[in-house]
Amino acid sequence: DVKVTQSSRYLVKRTGEKVFLECVQDMDHENMFWYRQDPGLGLRLIYFSYDVKMKEKGDIPEGYSVSREKKERFSLILESASTNQTSMYLCASSFPSRTDIQYFGAGTRLSVL
Amino acid sequence: AQKVTQAQTEISVVEKEDVTLDCVYETRDTTYYLFWYKQPPSGELVFLIRRNSFDEQNEISGRYSWNFQKSTSSFNFTITASQVVDSAVYFCALEGWDYKLSFGAGTTVTVRA
Repeated sequence: DVKVTQSSRYLVKRTGEKVFLECVQDMDHENMFWYRQDPGLGLRLIYFSYDVKMKEKGDIPEGYSVSREKKERFSLILESASTNQTSMYLCASSFPSRTDIQYFGAGTRLSVL
Repeated sequence: AQKVTQAQTEISVVEKEDVTLDCVYETRDTTYYLFWYKQPPSGELVFLIRRNSFDEQNEISGRYSWNFQKSTSSFNFTITASQVVDSAVYFCALEGWDYKLSFGAGTTVTVRA
């Protein structure tokens, strides 16, 4: 079974802190994605990566950065957390193939106080 | 730009009732994929179905069925004889040429015993 693991289920941080959200997948997928989920807005793509050290901006990249030093790990970084970044963050991975689908982690619920 | 609309925010039914979730999409791509994902209370999105734009056959999988109508840009999902375990948030999504998923806002289904 494909496994996408997000390091924390719940996280509480203070405004201005630097926050790291980690995601690891065990299926040797090239593509990895970070989404945020907000009520009434569904999931919105923040960043994605189609290979090690490669990254592309999604629909809402402002206030975020990412790092992909190894194929299996994709990190989302909040350089200076703000209260409007309180949200559920979901990581996903997939092969770069039309026959594959995105597999999701269980999510990290981040609260910024 | 791609857009997915799930007009129903919440649906509440009694067990054994049928429930239909609406999904309408917009895209300029001629080749695209449509998806339904289920998000139970545990948080992890679970893949239910993928349909490509050239395959308009309806599909049935157990109590789940999907109706794809390209003429109306709709991809509706029906749960027959609903059960309490069907309670979840359901997302419709569209993938274009760039492997990126655009999600609808989601429909929360509550099935009461």
